[in-house]
Amino acid sequence: EVQLVESGGGLVQPGGSLRLSCAASGFTFSSYWMHWVRQAPGKGLVWVSRINSDGSSTSYADSVKGRFTTSRDNAKNTLYLQMNSLRAEDTAVYYCARSAFGGPGYWGQGTLVTVSS
Amino acid sequence: QSVLTQPPSASGTPGQRVTISCSGSSSNIGSNYVYWYQQLPGTAPKLLIYRNNQRPSGVPDRFSGSKSGTSASLAISGLRSEDEADYYCAAWDDSLSGPVVFGGGTKLTVL
Repeated sequence: EVQLVESGGGLVQPGGSLRLSCAASGFTFSSYWMHWVRQAPGKGLVWVSRINSDGSSTSYADSVKGRFTTSRDNAKNTLYLQMNSLRAEDTAVYYCARSAFGGPGYWGQGTLVTVSS
Repeated sequence: QSVLTQPPSASGTPGQRVTISCSGSSSNIGSNYVYWYQQLPGTAPKLLIYRNNQRPSGVPDRFSGSKSGTSASLAISGLRSEDEADYYCAAWDDSLSGPVVFGGGTKLTVL
């Protein structure tokens, strides 16, 4: 069974940094592209970034480009999202998702990031 | 402002058939597959339809997807109370705005 468990969320001040983790199990992690998608409170889903299976290629939404970095450790079956220069508008639940059938398929339960002073 | 356009709300009575539309452009829906997700209250999204009209294992055949040009639709037949949820469409996008774009979501109410 595919399992994705996000962690690392919390309260951070504007301008601060946070690193999210997504622990994967139940599948061969190194074979799949992974995505980060976020959802602000009461709002819709917004794609944040994706990384290919070996970590050699990443892509980001314009709103986070230059501030967020996605990486992975295939030996540890873990996906990361390093978030710097955080803004109030980055407040959201962050989901990691495994690619399935060409798009975000299996989703974790999410971790809440709150950016506030 | 989402790249894909969905109606904010839809409703139906038990047993009815409801459709939710998703409008895009030539760089996303027009040239790529469409995906649909169901998000029940307080839970993570779940993949409902992939590659325009395919259902993952376990998704009832009451759910169906279609695509024509730069628009797509999700149809739910035999509506049930447990279908009350938010529904999102998504597609890869070939423009610089990002590889994956979502619709703003449609809240389905079962009356």
